Amino acid sequence: QVQLVQSGAEMKKPGASVSVSCKASGYTFTGYYIHWVRQAPGQGLEWMGWLNPDKGDTNYAQKFQGRVTMTRDTPISTAYMELSSLNCDDTAVYYCARGRSLDYWGQGTLVTVSS
Amino acid sequence: DIQMTQSPSSLSASVGDRVTITCRASQDIRNYLAWFQQKPGKAPKSLIYAASSLQSGVPSKFNGSGSGTDFTLTISSLQPEDFATYYCQQYNSYPFTFGPGTKVDIK
Repeated sequence: QVQLVQSGAEMKKPGASVSVSCKASGYTFTGYYIHWVRQAPGQGLEWMGWLNPDKGDTNYAQKFQGRVTMTRDTPISTAYMELSSLNCDDTAVYYCARGRSLDYWGQGTLVTVSS
Repeated sequence: DIQMTQSPSSLSASVGDRVTITCRASQDIRNYLAWFQQKPGKAPKSLIYAASSLQSGVPSKFNGSGSGTDFTLTISSLQPEDFATYYCQQYNSYPFTFGPGTKVDIK
């Protein structure tokens, strides 16, 4: 069965960077884009961008341009999302999701940014 | 960016009720519209894609319709497990955007 398993919760100080991983199983990793979506506490869903695991190309939401980097390690079917220059507004649960219709989601990774 | 709106923002309903949620896009998104269900502390779950196609394993009590700019999600015969927040999302163009959500709770 399709599964996306994300790394554990992170606590960071303002100005730091965070990397969240998303390990895929149950399907061909290179066959579907991986999208990243975040959700601040009590708020709605915000799309951050996508990664093409096959070629490694990416497309980031303008809001995150210059601060986000999405990469992959194809042999271990894992995608990564790194967000730099963190501030308190980046406190959120970060999700990875599969394909354009976001049909499967990871369990989420809470990133807390606090001094 | 395409703006997505939903109405109502919240509703109270009873078990067995039929519920309809409306989603509107600020421009034509053809049928590139998805619906998600989210329960507290959980990841969103995909219900419907391409405006009206049911994801595998999703019960047929969920029905999506619409195209262009106006869409609806109907839940027939609401059950206790259906009380959640529902989001629509357009994937016609980047950046993908979500509606603000509709919270369905128990009357």
